[in-house]
Amino acid sequence: ELKVEQNPLFLSMQEGKNYTIYCNYSTTSDRLYWYRQDPGKSLESLFVLLSNGAVKQEGRLMASLDTKARLSTLHITAAVHDLSATYFCAVDIQVTSYDKVIFGPGTSLSVIP
Amino acid sequence: DTEVTQTPKHLVMGMTNKKSLKCEQHMGHRAMYWYKQKAKKPPELMFVYSYEKLSINESVPSRFSPECPNSSLLNLHLHALQPEDSALYLCASRTGPSSYNEQFFGPGTRLTVL
Repeated sequence: ELKVEQNPLFLSMQEGKNYTIYCNYSTTSDRLYWYRQDPGKSLESLFVLLSNGAVKQEGRLMASLDTKARLSTLHITAAVHDLSATYFCAVDIQVTSYDKVIFGPGTSLSVIP
Repeated sequence: DTEVTQTPKHLVMGMTNKKSLKCEQHMGHRAMYWYKQKAKKPPELMFVYSYEKLSINESVPSRFSPECPNSSLLNLHLHALQPEDSALYLCASRTGPSSYNEQFFGPGTRLTVL
């Protein structure tokens, strides 16, 4: 059974601190996404990771992908309140003749002063 | 143009109403998707259209009826919905149904069923 898991599901962290969100998936995939979602809003694409060892950074967020371990990480550096949101990882898999995106359960991040 | 648009942004309807959600993209994408997202949950795939043909229906109740009139437009017709159908409905598109290109999401329609 295909699974995409995230850890932790809830994260409360202080401003200025660092933390990592983990995403594990159970099947082979060529593409992994990280999305941010603010309450009541749509998904904002943060990163698309395509290959083993891929690392991308944008501001205080850095994502990496290990396809052999089927693991992606989203690292937060020196957190600020504006990063408070829900973060989803999602995996592209091929089902018969089409691609399907499977989402993890999401990590609800709260950055407190 | 690199965006997916959805209308309306918000919709409130009664259980006896008939309404439609609209999704449009002008990126030349040939695969389009409907997702449903309940509060505090990840999006769940509902339908996949490939080259204007319905490829996948993820066991969605018949009160949801998708339509793809042309390669740029995707509709979701709603009829006799239940309050538990209240959710954010997201449309997405990508170059083709099986491709190495990213999936783009629209802003969503927030649906409330009374």
